[in-house]
Amino acid sequence: EVQLVESGGGLVQSGGSLRLSCAASGFTFSSYWMHWVRQAPGKGLVWVSRISKDGSSTTYADSVKGRFTISRDNAKNTLYLQMNSLRAEDTAVYYCARDSYSSCTHWGQGTLVTVSS
Amino acid sequence: QSALSQPPSASGSPGQSVTISCTGTSSDVGGYNYVSWYQQHPGKAPKLMIYEVSKRPSGVPDRFSGSKSGYTASLTVSGLQAEDEADYYCSSSAGSNRVVFGGGTKLTVL
Repeated sequence: EVQLVESGGGLVQSGGSLRLSCAASGFTFSSYWMHWVRQAPGKGLVWVSRISKDGSSTTYADSVKGRFTISRDNAKNTLYLQMNSLRAEDTAVYYCARDSYSSCTHWGQGTLVTVSS
Repeated sequence: QSALSQPPSASGSPGQSVTISCTGTSSDVGGYNYVSWYQQHPGKAPKLMIYEVSKRPSGVPDRFSGSKSGYTASLTVSGLQAEDEADYYCSSSAGSNRVVFGGGTKLTVL
């Protein structure tokens, strides 16, 4: 069974940093592209970032480019999102998701990031 | 990177059919056959319902179907059931490994 478990969320002050992790199991992690998607409280889904199977290719939404860094450790079956220069508008539940057919086929339960101003 | 356009709400009675639209541009929906639809119940993670415009993952009822014409994709839910009440989001490939989501549609089963 595919499992994705996010961690690392919490309360951080504006301008601060946070690193999210997503532990993957139940599939060959190194064979799949991965995504981060976020959802502000009461709002819709917003795509954040995507990383290739080997980590050599990364893409970001304009709203986080230059502040967030996606990475992965295939030996540890773990996906990361380093978030710097956090703003109040980054407050959201952050989901990691497995990519297949350019879709997010499996999702974690999410981790809440709250940025206080 | 503008969000895809979805109606904020849709509704239907049990047993009826309802269609939710998702409108984009030539840079996303119109340019790729990589449109997906997700169902999200309150407090839960999203669930993939349709991928590549019209394909259903294993386990998704065939009451759910997808299509696309030009810059607009559609999700149709036939034979509405109470458990179909949820938020629905479309997404599309937007080139250069980017993805864009729609704003979401709240489906109410009357």
